[in-house]
Amino acid sequence: GDSVTQTEGLVTLTEGLPVMLNCTYQSTYSPFLFWYVQHLNEAPKLLLKSFTDNKRPEHQGFHATLHKSSSSFHLQKSSAQLSDSALYYCALTHTNAYKVIFGKGTHLHVLP
Amino acid sequence: NAGVIQTPRHKVTGKGQEATLWCEPISGHSAVFWYRQTIVQGLEFLTYFRNQAPIDDSGMPKERFSAQMPNQSHSTLKIQSTQPQDSAVYLCASSQGRTGLFFGHGTKLSVL
Repeated sequence: GDSVTQTEGLVTLTEGLPVMLNCTYQSTYSPFLFWYVQHLNEAPKLLLKSFTDNKRPEHQGFHATLHKSSSSFHLQKSSAQLSDSALYYCALTHTNAYKVIFGKGTHLHVLP
Repeated sequence: NAGVIQTPRHKVTGKGQEATLWCEPISGHSAVFWYRQTIVQGLEFLTYFRNQAPIDDSGMPKERFSAQMPNQSHSTLKIQSTQPQDSAVYLCASSQGRTGLFFGHGTKLSVL
């Protein structure tokens, strides 16, 4: 079946350093991948999603590239900000379903 | 657009009591999803509806959980004979196509 793996439960880094949060997946069909961000006491919000062509989605300085060869959709940002501290979820759906499967999430903690 | 509305925001029940959670999706969205969020498991899929019809309830604990969508403007999640392990934040989300999920703020259920 479909599944999403986020290997890091917590990532702590200093403001200004680059961010990379890992996401790998298994999917029977052609996948669409998403990243959601959840700040403290707020609802999860869509951060970005993969496209069917080779465009790289970007939002608020974050970007991710879908690599079908390695089944990955890692989230990256060149320079972390304090306001990036949040819980990040990688999620998957595919062309034959609307059901969205989430990984267990990665807490990003950015220190001053 | 008020977004997805969930009521109540907090609910406290005694062990063995019933809990009913309400969700009003975004007007015009054809799909409605229910998820359960805990620190240990992250976002767990429960069930979803498309055009009010139940499509996939594979994540629902069968014995005590049920969900309905009697009309396009609301859905309910009912938990009978609540147990302490049901304590979690229950999130409702709606979507139209594959634009991504829009979440409500959730209902925090505490079972004493």
